[in-house]
Amino acid sequence: EVQLVESGGDLVQPGGSLRLSCAVSGFTFSSYVMSWVRQAPGKGLEWVSDISGSGGSTNYAGSVKGRFTISRDKSTNTLYLQMNSLGADDTAGYYCARRGLGQAYYFDYWGQGTLVTVS
Amino acid sequence: QSVLTQPPSASGTPGQRVTISCSGSSSNIGSHTVNWYQQLPGTAPKAIIYGNNQRPSGVPDRFSGSKSGTSASLAISGLQSEDEADYYCAAWDDSLNGYVFGTGTRVTVL
Repeated sequence: EVQLVESGGDLVQPGGSLRLSCAVSGFTFSSYVMSWVRQAPGKGLEWVSDISGSGGSTNYAGSVKGRFTISRDKSTNTLYLQMNSLGADDTAGYYCARRGLGQAYYFDYWGQGTLVTVS
Repeated sequence: QSVLTQPPSASGTPGQRVTISCSGSSSNIGSHTVNWYQQLPGTAPKAIIYGNNQRPSGVPDRFSGSKSGTSASLAISGLQSEDEADYYCAAWDDSLNGYVFGTGTRVTVL
């Protein structure tokens, strides 16, 4: 069974840092592109970042570029999101998601989310 | 601010057909396939359409997707009470070099 479990969400002061983790199981981690998607309270979905299966290629939304870093550890099957210089606009639930295989870029599995509050 | 535009709300009675539109541009919908996600209250999103019109395993065939040019649409036929949720379209965007979601549509079953 495919599982994605996020952790690390917390209350942090403006300008602070936080690292989110997403522990995965039930599939070959290194075969899949992984992403972070966030959702501010009462708002829509916003893609944050993705990382290739090897970890050698990453992409970021303009709103987080230069402040957030996505990474992955194949030895522990864990996806990370290092968040620096946090501001109120970063307050959101953060989901990790697996991109499905094939040409279509879509997320076939999602975690339950972890809440980050910047205040 | 999302680059994919959806109507904020849609509604219908049980059994009716509801359609949600998603308007984009040549750099996203015009160049890439469209996906649709359903988000039930308090839960993580779930893919219901990928590759413009493909349904993941387990998704009822009441859900269907289509794309034409720089627009796409999701249709829900035979609307049921459990379909009450937020729906988002999404696609890769070449100009932004990132994945973009639509503004979201809340479907209400009257």
